Amino acid sequence: GENVEQHPSTLSVQEGDSAVIKCTYSDSASNYFPWYKQELGKRPQLIIDIRSNVGEKKDQRIAVTLNKTAKHFSLHITETQPEDSAVYFCAASITDDMRFGAGTRLTVKP
Amino acid sequence: DAGITQSPRHKVTETGTPVTLRCHQTENHRYMYWYRQDPGHGLRLIHYSYGVKDTDKGEVSDGYSVSRSKTEDFLLTLESATSSQTSVYFCAISATSPGELFFGEGSRLTVL
Repeated sequence: GENVEQHPSTLSVQEGDSAVIKCTYSDSASNYFPWYKQELGKRPQLIIDIRSNVGEKKDQRIAVTLNKTAKHFSLHITETQPEDSAVYFCAASITDDMRFGAGTRLTVKP
Repeated sequence: DAGITQSPRHKVTETGTPVTLRCHQTENHRYMYWYRQDPGHGLRLIHYSYGVKDTDKGEVSDGYSVSRSKTEDFLLTLESATSSQTSVYFCAISATSPGELFFGEGSRLTVL
């Protein structure tokens, strides 16, 4: 099955700085790459996703890039704010079986 | 939030007892999933369903079984709970595959 690795496991940035989280996947047939945010004690929620026919996607302060050749994708958060503090999960999927990375705990210091 | 509820939300049980977690949706979504969340492991897929009576195993299915007799309900059963199954269990639903997962609020299970 698909294997997703995520780095770093923890990330601390100053408010206003950018944050980058990287993931690699093993199965070249994977074609859907979502990112989820989980605040403390809450359920994970989708923040952005990208499909394999697209190289980059942006939504306000967040963006995701995909490199199919290298089998990695990244989440970029610009102008970070304290409310961005959470655990972020990447995932990769071929069809029904979606596999997640281990998560990155992002802390934004005011 | 998508109409998805999990029950029970919290449960403490003893090793060797059977446990059933229920996921109920009101969205009529075709796909339903059970994940477990443990520190350092993220979300790991236990089982999923792609239709009534259609289920398949995920990456950590040993010790778990599932059933889906109706579109709206997806049950996760631990036939004989072990301490290693202490975890937070999330149900998720999706209208398309692959597509956005909508998660339930989670069920915290403690096996003593």
